[in-house]
Amino acid sequence: AQRVTQPEKLLSVFKGAPVELKCNYSYSGSPELFWYVQYSRQRLQLLLRHISRESIKGFTADLNKGETSFHLKKPFAQEEDSAMYYCALRGSGGSNYKLTFGKGTLLTVNP
Amino acid sequence: DTGVSQDPRHKITKRGQNVTFRCDPISEHNRLYWYRQTLGQGPEFLTYFQNEAQLEKSRLLSDRFSAERPKGSFSTLEIQRTEQGDSAMYLCASSKLIGGGETQYFGPGTRLLVL
Repeated sequence: AQRVTQPEKLLSVFKGAPVELKCNYSYSGSPELFWYVQYSRQRLQLLLRHISRESIKGFTADLNKGETSFHLKKPFAQEEDSAMYYCALRGSGGSNYKLTFGKGTLLTVNP
Repeated sequence: DTGVSQDPRHKITKRGQNVTFRCDPISEHNRLYWYRQTLGQGPEFLTYFQNEAQLEKSRLLSDRFSAERPKGSFSTLEIQRTEQGDSAMYLCASSKLIGGGETQYFGPGTRLLVL
């Protein structure tokens, strides 16, 4: 079975502070990990995926297979980063299509 | 192309009524997904189509739920004899497999309230 855990429901930081949104997963094979973001009144959209190894809007995430984690980080948070963030996993092999999501973390960046 | 669209955006119905939702994927996307999201939860997978073939249904999808994608383009999700527990946001996503990778693009969702 595949499972994604986001331990923080809410995270509040001040503008300019570093931010880290935690994501841990459980999966027996080699998963593909994603971060999706949902801004207020907007649809869910892809922020980044681990295989791309890119930085989007200043965010990065590294897949740590030893710790089964895929934490999302940004060195200097901006007010426009305030949103709901979901970590998601896609399995390999026969189940390599559906996404399994965590419960999400609501990030608030205060001025 | 304006992305994945869903209709209606909101639906209020009485318990026991049938409802049908429509999803129009991004053109040329051969994969289509339905997810359900309840308050405080992330989206949960319901079912998946590749072209017109429904390849998997989650255990969440009771026999009151049926989904179709008749011509491999738009899809419908019908809930018969709705129950209050069916109240949720129903999300549709589409994707196309490119070079072994894919990105699922989500629609705005249909929010269902069963009274």
